[in-house]
Amino acid sequence: GENVEQHPSTLSVQEGDSAVIKCTYSDSASNYFPWYKQELGKGPQLIIDIRSNVGEKKDQRIAVTLNKTAKHFSLHITETQPEDSAVYFCAATRSGSARQLTFGSGTQLTVLP
Amino acid sequence: ETGVTQSPTHLIKTRGQQVTLRCSSQSGHNTVSWYQQALGQGPQFIFQYYREEENGRGNFPPRFSGLQFPNYSSELNVNALELDDSALYLCASSMGPRSRYGYTFGSGTRLTVV
Repeated sequence: GENVEQHPSTLSVQEGDSAVIKCTYSDSASNYFPWYKQELGKGPQLIIDIRSNVGEKKDQRIAVTLNKTAKHFSLHITETQPEDSAVYFCAATRSGSARQLTFGSGTQLTVLP
Repeated sequence: ETGVTQSPTHLIKTRGQQVTLRCSSQSGHNTVSWYQQALGQGPQFIFQYYREEENGRGNFPPRFSGLQFPNYSSELNVNALELDDSALYLCASSMGPRSRYGYTFGSGTRLTVV
């Protein structure tokens, strides 16, 4: 089955700096890669996603890149703000009858004011 | 538009007992998936329900079972609770079972087994 590894497990940045979180996946058939933000006491919230026919996607301060050959994808957050502090999860899945998301182990992002 | 609601928010059970967790899907969503999130880990897929039938299952034993009702709400049942079942249980709904539909997660039920 699919295996997703995520790095780093913790990341501290100064407000206004950029943050990068990286994930690798094992199943070359995976074709959908969402990123979730989870705040304390809440469920994961989808912040951006990318499909395998696209190499990069951007939404305001957030961008995701995908390298299918190397089987890795990354989340980039620019101009970080204290409210960006949360746990971020990457995930991967393949088309099929059930969209079983395989999640990474998470990155605790802390934005220091 | 209401989101995904789960009940209860917290629950304490004794080893060997049975538990039922409930989930109301977001309006317009007909598919419900359940995930288990242990402390400090990413969520793990338990199973998905679509059209009131199980539509895919992760690596969880049969004592984890579920139901989906005609209004698309769902239940997760766990029998013979073990200490390792202590976790946050997340319900996610979507407009369909395939990857082109986005998931909306609820805030979860925190289950503690003592």
